[in-house]
Parts: sequence; structure tokens; C-alpha cells
Amino acid sequence: NAGVMQNPRHLVRRRGQEARLRCSPMKGHSHVYWYRQLPEEGLKFMVYLQKENIIDESGMPKERFSAEFPKEGPSILRIQQVVRGDSAAYFCASSPEERNNNSPLHFGNGTRLTVT
Amino acid sequence: GQNIDQPTEMTATEGAIVQINCTYQTSGFNGLFWYQQHAGEAPTFLSYNVLDGLEEKGRFSSFLSRSKGYSYLLLKELQMKDSASYLCAVRDGSYIPTFGRGTSLIVHP
Repeated sequence: NAGVMQNPRHLVRRRGQEARLRCSPMKGHSHVYWYRQLPEEGLKFMVYLQKENIIDESGMPKERFSAEFPKEGPSILRIQQVVRGDSAAYFCASSPEERNNNSPLHFGNGTRLTVT
Repeated sequence: GQNIDQPTEMTATEGAIVQINCTYQTSGFNGLFWYQQHAGEAPTFLSYNVLDGLEEKGRFSSFLSRSKGYSYLLLKELQMKDSASYLCAVRDGSYIPTFGRGTSLIVHP
């Protein structure tokens, strides 16, 4: 059952370190979305990528955050010089090629980042 | 911008019926999704509406009125395992789903 795979499940970083979050989409899916979730809050869109292209990064902070989805390998969300406010659950979701059909996003189990 | 509103919390009794409402204001509309999310887990897809009317899927049904910017999720024959957060998400003109804050449903015996 090759669903959306995220790793690690839990990540602890000290302030100033770098965090790398990985996401492998479902087999056959070429669209990846990253969302951030704080306790008691909804999922906030960060970035939408296709293979080798960033389609929309309007929800991602311009500093310290970056994302990529290379031709080979997983999508990576990278947070440099983490601060306590970056502590959250980061969810990755994928969808098939046709983005204008009724295919829902399929979510991974998330990475819970804690910055100490 | 987008604005999606849902009640923060609802409670219901096992075996009963509960309706969770969602109102939205978005730039363009390309479908509305409902997801279920248990604490600490991934959101899982429940339903999709793009045309007005009711979509039924087992114990769960979802309704959409595009002219009113309104949807609801109806859960019948509630079970304890239905205690979870229910997320309404609207796909706007950019085709990127925007999520509401979610409704925490507590089912008690």
C-alpha cells in the first residue's frame, strides 16, 4: 500500500539548526503540496510543486524556507535557522497529473517538528 | 482572499445524527472537500462536491449550494470512532485547496 510517505515522523532541532522534511508521493502522483498545521488550527498551504517545478509558493515564508521536488527522489521542505515558532506539524499531500479533476489530495502522516 | 468558516466544536450522542456546516467565500470555485482527521494522524478524504446537491456515501453525506457558499457534512448512526476533527476545504481558481480550521466532533455514549 504505497501511500504518501513522510519522514521523519518526529524531528527535534535546536534553535539555529536546519530541518529537512521528506515526502514521497503516492505512486503515479506528480503533484505535491506542503501544508503546516498548528494545534487547534487548520491546515495552512505553503507550497505546490510538480516534478522540478515550483508552481505556487505563495504560502511559504520568503526567508529560511525552501522546497524542491527533483526529477528523482522525494520532495524536500527545508527550514534553515529554525526558531521556536517553526514548531508545528508539516503535512505533505499528493495528487495525480490532472489537477482540474475531482481527485482529492492524499495526505501523509506528517512530520512533527519541535524546536527547542 | 479566501474565508472558510466552520463551528469550532460539536458534541453528539452515539447513534444520533449530526450536521457540520461550512460557509465559504473564495475567488473562484472548483470543488469542496471534506476530510476527517484523528488526533496525531493524517487527514483522510471523505467526500467531494462540485455541483449543487447531496452526495451520499454510506453513513456520510455531503451537501453543496454554490449560490449560498454553503456546504454541510451529515453523519448518521454516530459511532464513538467518529470522534475526530472534520475539515472543510475549498479549491479556488488556483486549484489549491484552502482549509477551514476544522470542527472537533465529540461523540459520547
